[in-house]
Amino acid sequence: GAVVSQHPSRVICKSGTSVKIECRSLDFQATTMFWYRQFPKQSLMLMATSNEGSKATYEQGVEKDKFLINHASLTLSTLTVTSAHPEDSSFYICSTGGGSGYNYGYTFGSGTRLTVV
Amino acid sequence: DAKTTQPNSMESNEEEPVHLPCNHSTISGTDYIHWYRQLPSQGPEYVIHGLTSNVNNRMASLAIAEDRKSSTLILHRATLRDAAVYYCILRDPNQAGTALIFGKGTTLSVSS
Repeated sequence: GAVVSQHPSRVICKSGTSVKIECRSLDFQATTMFWYRQFPKQSLMLMATSNEGSKATYEQGVEKDKFLINHASLTLSTLTVTSAHPEDSSFYICSTGGGSGYNYGYTFGSGTRLTVV
Repeated sequence: DAKTTQPNSMESNEEEPVHLPCNHSTISGTDYIHWYRQLPSQGPEYVIHGLTSNVNNRMASLAIAEDRKSSTLILHRATLRDAAVYYCILRDPNQAGTALIFGKGTTLSVSS
């Protein structure tokens, strides 16, 4: 199956700084990637859909200027949390998938634990 | 996406079978039933999926009701490593380019 590498797995940053999270598709070309956020004891919440070579589509309530998504190649999507604040502390997860047909699959990264202090 | 309903939590003992139920009474004819699980501090991982017939793979079995309004994920012999949140998700394969939408899932605890 597909392999998705997410980096870093953990990051601690100071309030006001920016943090970049990378999501790499290692063995296939991913035209679409998805970014989720998960707070403790809660389910995954879709933040945005990242399409290679075009602007990301953000879910309602997600600030596009705060959560910058870049999908410049078929194997890499990045999420940058700008001017991070403690309330941005969360578990961020990327995934590939969403192709058409019954035999598609979604592969998830191992997640990034962001702590803003 | 059609909604699914799962119990918040379930408990099991090691080596025993586990049956995780999922109700999806508003499922459409083209929706596939997917199961993913999320181990602690990990991203979700695929478990199994099916349309109408029961499905088996090395991880689990999926039993789908004849009317497709419910399904059951079966772990034949639970291990401690199976402790996770299990998500039942419906998806229409014709909806290309769309993300999986997660509900609350069922938190499975496994005791030794």
